[in-house]
Amino acid sequence: DGGITQSPKYLFRKEGQNVTLSCEQNLNHDAMYWYRQDPGQGLRLIYYSQIVNDFQKGDIAEGYSVSREKKESFPLTVTSAQKNPTAFYLCASSMRGAGTQYFGPGTRLTVL
Amino acid sequence: AQTVTQSQPEMSVQEAETVTLSCTYDTSESDYYLFWYKQPPSRQMILVIRQEAYKQQNATENRFSVNFQKAAKSFSLKISDSQLGDAAMYFCAYFYTGNQFYFGTGTSLTVIP
Repeated sequence: DGGITQSPKYLFRKEGQNVTLSCEQNLNHDAMYWYRQDPGQGLRLIYYSQIVNDFQKGDIAEGYSVSREKKESFPLTVTSAQKNPTAFYLCASSMRGAGTQYFGPGTRLTVL
Repeated sequence: AQTVTQSQPEMSVQEAETVTLSCTYDTSESDYYLFWYKQPPSRQMILVIRQEAYKQQNATENRFSVNFQKAAKSFSLKISDSQLGDAAMYFCAYFYTGNQFYFGTGTSLTVIP
């Protein structure tokens, strides 16, 4: 079945540690996105990539990094520079220029 | 800059009744896409309905329909015959080709049995 997978579902991090959230899609989509969602809030764009080996910062990129070495994978690293990383993280993908985004199930990150 | 506004943080509806969720947006483009996404307690974002701006006909998907008013930049979602499973957070979103998505802050819908 085609879809988007995110792992892990829950992630705990100690302060000062970098962690990487995985996002994989087998929909053959060109574009991939990372969003952050805080309680009771909407989605805020962290990074997006429209083609392999290229990505752009979104509205809240500080303290995060990404890579896009393969079309199907778009991992997000939350670095120690991100001061308040506890949140729900959603990955999405779409055909380039086609509009509709499809989402993964999300990763809940908690900083201990 | 594009913005999406959902002015109703919370709404409620009796089971089997109809409810309308509001959304307005700001853009200088003429060709774009609008969406409604549903986020139930599982937090999985699910596409409800999509509207292309060049189409005058309002999109419908079973019990879900939109009222798209391009000149007014308004895009409301109507849910008919509301069911308990419709209870969720609903997000309005805007997309312009080659650009990023813009989401509203969401409307929390409660369905009363």
